[in-house]
Amino acid sequence: GENVGLHLPTLSVQEGDNSIINCAYSNSASDYFIWYKQESGKGPQFIIDIRSNMDKRQGQRVTVLLNKTVKHLSLQIAATQPGDSAVYFCAGDQTGANNLFFGTGTRLTVIP
Amino acid sequence: NAGVTQTPKFRILKIGQSMTLQCTQDMNHNYMYWYRQDPGMGLKLIYYSVGAGITDKGEVPNGYNVSRSTTEDFPLRLELAAPSQTSVYFCASSYGGRTEAFFGQGTRLTVV
Repeated sequence: GENVGLHLPTLSVQEGDNSIINCAYSNSASDYFIWYKQESGKGPQFIIDIRSNMDKRQGQRVTVLLNKTVKHLSLQIAATQPGDSAVYFCAGDQTGANNLFFGTGTRLTVIP
Repeated sequence: NAGVTQTPKFRILKIGQSMTLQCTQDMNHNYMYWYRQDPGMGLKLIYYSVGAGITDKGEVPNGYNVSRSTTEDFPLRLELAAPSQTSVYFCASSYGGRTEAFFGQGTRLTVV
C-alpha cells in the first residue's frame, strides 16, 4: 500500500531561525506532492506543491525540495515566526490515483 | 466566496444512531473528498467524488455512505454510529485530482 508522509512528530525552533520539516515516501510512482499547514481546531491549509519533474519550488518564505533518488521531501520555512506554529503534513499521490495520501504530520513549535 | 462549508461543527451521537454530515462548496470544483482525522494522526480518505453522480471509496469507507447529486454538495452519511467513528471529519474540494485541495473547518463527532 501507500506509504507517504513519514514525519518526525515534533520540531522546535527559535523565532527567527529557519525551519526544515522532512518527509519520506516509499512509492516511487508518486509524482505529485503537497504540503499543508494545520492550525489547532482548523482544517488543513495549502502551503506549496511540487511535481516530480521538479526538484525545487519556492513560495513566499517557503521552499520545497524533492529528492526522488532517496524519496525525500522537505519544507523549509525562512525566518520562522510564532504564527508558523502548527502541524505540517506532506501528502502525495501516484499516477492514476485521484486522491492524496497524508502522513501523520510534524508539529512545529516556535519558541519566542 | 465561502469556500468549503461543513455543518454541523460539533455533534454527539449515541451508538446506533445515524446522521448526515453536510458539505457544500461554491468554487465549482469537480473533485470533492471526505477525510477523517483521528487524534495525532494524519488524514484518512473515506470517500471521494470526481463529479456529480460519481463516487468512489477511499481507504476507510466502511460504515459510511455518500452521494453527489450536485456539483456543490457532497453529504456523508453514518447509518449506525459506532465509537470507532469518533473523529474529526473534513470535507475538501479541488479543481482536479492532483491540484490544491481546499478544506472545510471540520466536524468533530463523538459517538458514545
